[in-house]
Amino acid sequence: DAGITQSPRHKVTETGTPVTLRCHQTENHRYMYWYRQDPGHGLRLIHYSYGVKDTDKGEVSDGYSVSRSKTEDFLLTLESATSSQTSVYFCAISESSGLARANTGELFFGEGSRLTVL
Amino acid sequence: RKEVEQDPGPFNVPEGATVAFNCTYSNSASQSFFWYRQDCRKEPKLLMSVYSSGNEDGRFTAQLNRASQYISLLIRDSKLSDSATYLCVVNIGGSYIPTFGRGTSLIVHP
Repeated sequence: DAGITQSPRHKVTETGTPVTLRCHQTENHRYMYWYRQDPGHGLRLIHYSYGVKDTDKGEVSDGYSVSRSKTEDFLLTLESATSSQTSVYFCAISESSGLARANTGELFFGEGSRLTVL
Repeated sequence: RKEVEQDPGPFNVPEGATVAFNCTYSNSASQSFFWYRQDCRKEPKLLMSVYSSGNEDGRFTAQLNRASQYISLLIRDSKLSDSATYLCVVNIGGSYIPTFGRGTSLIVHP
């Protein structure tokens, strides 16, 4: 299994508080993603990164920011959490050597972070 | 219209049955296709990639139909352990942004 860990795994917080979720990988993979998963919506992309300090928005980026200061860490921050951000958050990494032929496109997921905003 | 669509199910089948899921995609520039499996309250994991020529892995067969823009997953001789949600994933050519379907739930009962 790919070395990818998320922390915290569970968090309960109150509306208006800041929250940071951390994704750490030991695979040296270039691409990292943050998804949220909600009933009836499936997995939706929040933000992704294609290199250190290179990030871009996904389809549900409002209310979220990210940072990637080194290859192994991708942080997701909720500046002021709202109840609508209660969800399960998954980090994923993608295998890429920079050679199209070698890029399988497979995603490896962390175990998820369950966030409840009261 | 959602870019990747799946019937959410659930598909409720007895052990030993054969079951098939389809997934349609809207972007004709899509180039990479995958099926992931997700168990309840767990992370998704790759089940199999879908190649143009189709591919088979034991009881699982995946097919791609570019003309009609869909991929399929066939499970033969279903086991109780096959109960899970099956996610269809599509990558548009030149992009590393995978797009997920909402998943199809399979329940295999004794």
